[in-house]
Amino acid sequence: RKEVEQDPGPFNVPEGATVAFNCTYSNSASQSFFWYRQDCRKEPKLLMSVYSSGNEDGRFTAQLNRASQYISLLIRDSKLSDSATYLCVVNMRGSTDKLIFGTGTRLQVFP
Amino acid sequence: DAGVIQSPRHEVTEMGQEVTLRCKPISGHDYLFWYRQTMMRGLELLIYFNNNVPIDDSGMPEDRFSAKMPNASFSTLKIQPSEPRDSAVYFCASSSTEGEQFFGPGTRLTVL
Repeated sequence: RKEVEQDPGPFNVPEGATVAFNCTYSNSASQSFFWYRQDCRKEPKLLMSVYSSGNEDGRFTAQLNRASQYISLLIRDSKLSDSATYLCVVNMRGSTDKLIFGTGTRLQVFP
Repeated sequence: DAGVIQSPRHEVTEMGQEVTLRCKPISGHDYLFWYRQTMMRGLELLIYFNNNVPIDDSGMPEDRFSAKMPNASFSTLKIQPSEPRDSAVYFCASSSTEGEQFFGPGTRLTVL
């Protein structure tokens, strides 16, 4: 089983739609969780950290379910500029420095 | 401030040749990471350094791969000899202690 699993997509949604991505992780001892965004042929960039209580940043909401070991990202009112690949990231067992990246979920927002 | 700088941005070489990728981390960051990204395997951590010291190289695929960090502002990833299956995008990232990892623009390597 992969340490971090994501649905690769693509998710094709119209502008204004709400879309949600889920991610599961295998290491129950993981402590740090993030969503990164990667545009085509660009480097990954941090979108947001994921906290146990859930957190929101504008149109983006991230939630963590430790019992089920999954992380979610909700995007409301999708924009064309949201088209990208979203990477789910968790830290590795025993180390807060090493991150494990999922292979990403591709989102395509169309007009 | 400049972000993470990587060179070259593109490299095309022939099988058997030596390849050296370079990275300059963000000033003041004490962690440096080397990743490889392919369509099949996604983003994989190869090795990371803390204060110029290699901490974990368990992701380095083979002895053909080596990495050094002679000082706080420079690191290299070397592949010798290169093989077609090494073709990928190689990213360098840096961070401060427990901080966000900032990635460089990557080096797109093609081994013919």
